[in-house]
Parts: sequence; C-alpha cells; structure tokens
Amino acid sequence: KAGVTQTPRYLIKTRGQQVTLSCSPISGHRSVSWYQQTPGQGLQFLFEYFSETQRNKGNFPGRFSGRQFSNSRSEMNVSTLELGDSALYLCASSAPGTGRQDGYTFGSGTRLTVV
Amino acid sequence: SQKIEQNSEALNIQEGKTATLTCNYTNYSPAYLQWYRQDPGRGPVFLLLIRENEKEKRKERLKVTFDTTLKQSLFHITASQPADSATYLCALERNYGQNFVFGPGTRLSVLP
Repeated sequence: KAGVTQTPRYLIKTRGQQVTLSCSPISGHRSVSWYQQTPGQGLQFLFEYFSETQRNKGNFPGRFSGRQFSNSRSEMNVSTLELGDSALYLCASSAPGTGRQDGYTFGSGTRLTVV
Repeated sequence: SQKIEQNSEALNIQEGKTATLTCNYTNYSPAYLQWYRQDPGRGPVFLLLIRENEKEKRKERLKVTFDTTLKQSLFHITASQPADSATYLCALERNYGQNFVFGPGTRLSVLP
C-alpha cells in the first residue's frame, strides 16, 4: 500500500511569506501528526489531528496552524515565516488508537528553507 | 523538567560487533516506548515498541530492554552491518493518549 505522501519535497521561501505543506496519510489512517526537525532541537511535536479535530498541540507559536480534511489529508500552514522556521517538516500517520502500539508511519518530509 | 537523553550523539563500532544505544528519561511515566531508525533526508521508520510491563523485546537482530525503575531503555543491534548505519531515535508517550516525544537521537556508524 502507498506510504505517507508529503508535498512538496523541497521549498524555498522568503522571510515574511507564508507556506502550506500537505500530507496524505496511509489509506485507512485517520490520525495525522506533524513534527518539525532541526539539527539543534531534534524532532519537535507540532500538532495531531484525528477525524478533522485537533487532538494535541505542541509549544509552537500561533503562526503554525493545521487542519485535516474529511478524507484524512492534512495541511499545515506557517505564516510570517522567520529564518528559524527552516527545517524538515515531517508528517506521521497511524490507524485509530494504534499509533502508540504499532508505531507511526512517517513521510519523507518537506524541507523548508527560509531566506 | 521533562527530558529525554540518548547516550551519545555518535557511536562508531566495528562490523560484527553489538551496538548498544541508551535512552534515558526524566519526569515521564511512559506506558510505551518506541525506537525508530532515520536515514539522512528521510522520515523515521518504526522499529520496535516495548510496554512498561515488558522487560525485553526482540526482533531479528534487534533487542530492546525497558527498566522503568532506572527510567532507561537499551537498544541493541547484534552482528552489526554497515547497512545498520543510521540515526536511531527513542520516543515515549508524554501522557496517556498524548503525543510521543522524541529523543535527540544517536548517529550509529558501523565500520567495515
């Protein structure tokens, strides 16, 4: 079966712009989590969506937002980009209630560079 | 404060030896602890999970232990191969039903 698909794979944006990243989970997976990965901070949790509702949220400013659609696809948006937002953004999906027991399936990520 | 530490940023071992990676945590009481492998430019790949009431879990050449008293998990790769070279991350559940938090990772290099 197809894995978690993230688009685009690479993105270069200018400071102050906004960006939208997309994630298509594995078919049947209704939970989608987003993580930011940087060399200094490692993997940091952004938020989790389940059945179009945000279920958990990490400690990121309000410039970071997300949503989930009825087909479980998810998008995250970052407004007013800062240089420090340059990172690998990873999406992970899991079947309902099984992520903690069966692990999460990650996409290959979107590499965002803010210049 | 809550913290997850992994023994070292990088670990070099000879092919055929056993690699042992450590994950220590503070001020968490996870029911589940997971281990992932990450290759450069890719997302993490789930390897193994161990529950709080399990002492040890094995999968092929991989073995994970979990000591809730020491607040530590050990991850072993036996008969290591150059193809095992990657970054290994531990992750634990912050609180029941909440997100998993990841350690900083250990970059393992298996030298031929």
